[in-house]
Amino acid sequence: EAQVTQNPRYLITVTGKKLTVTCSQNMNHEYMSWYRQDPGLGLRQIYYSMNVEVTDKGDVPEGYKVSRKEKRNFPLILESPSPNQTSLYFCASSLKGTGVVYEQYFGPGTRLTVT
Amino acid sequence: KNEVEQSPQNLTAQEGEFITINCSYSVGISALHWLQQHPGGGIVSLFMLSSGKKKHGRLIATINIQEKHSSLHITASHPRDSAVYICAAGYQKVTFGTGTKLQVIP
Repeated sequence: EAQVTQNPRYLITVTGKKLTVTCSQNMNHEYMSWYRQDPGLGLRQIYYSMNVEVTDKGDVPEGYKVSRKEKRNFPLILESPSPNQTSLYFCASSLKGTGVVYEQYFGPGTRLTVT
Repeated sequence: KNEVEQSPQNLTAQEGEFITINCSYSVGISALHWLQQHPGGGIVSLFMLSSGKKKHGRLIATINIQEKHSSLHITASHPRDSAVYICAAGYQKVTFGTGTKLQVIP
């Protein structure tokens, strides 16, 4: 089954304790992206990647790191989480085309609470 | 100011009604997404548009690149269409509207 998986789905942690949210896709997609969703603010892009070793900032990259060492994986790293990073996080992926646009497939979301 | 504006923010319709949700954007883009998010949070891509019009079942999406405007239409609305509908402008770098919460009443 074609899918984007995220782990963990739920996480409660404390300020300053490094964490990684994993994202994996089995569709051989070149493009992957991380978003956060907050009440009243909607969805906002954190980082995206057009291919292995190619990443770029979205609108809200502060406090986050990403890496793309393999095509299927795009982990989101919070080196020192703070309460303002409490949010619902989504990973998404899509094919990358020239002159053609492709839909994004979203993971199920990770609900993160930082206390 | 958000570069992607959706209207209306909330919409209540009777079952069977024709529904239109609008999206205007101020940035130059190569593509626009329409997404659906049900209570419980999962997000599904409905359409990815770069020009013209697309149709899937009772859903129709149109885009006018020159006017920087897109619409999502739902024909013969049904209670299972109740969800939040989100437009997002851009292909690599993506900017989202704040969503339209639709409730369809039987």
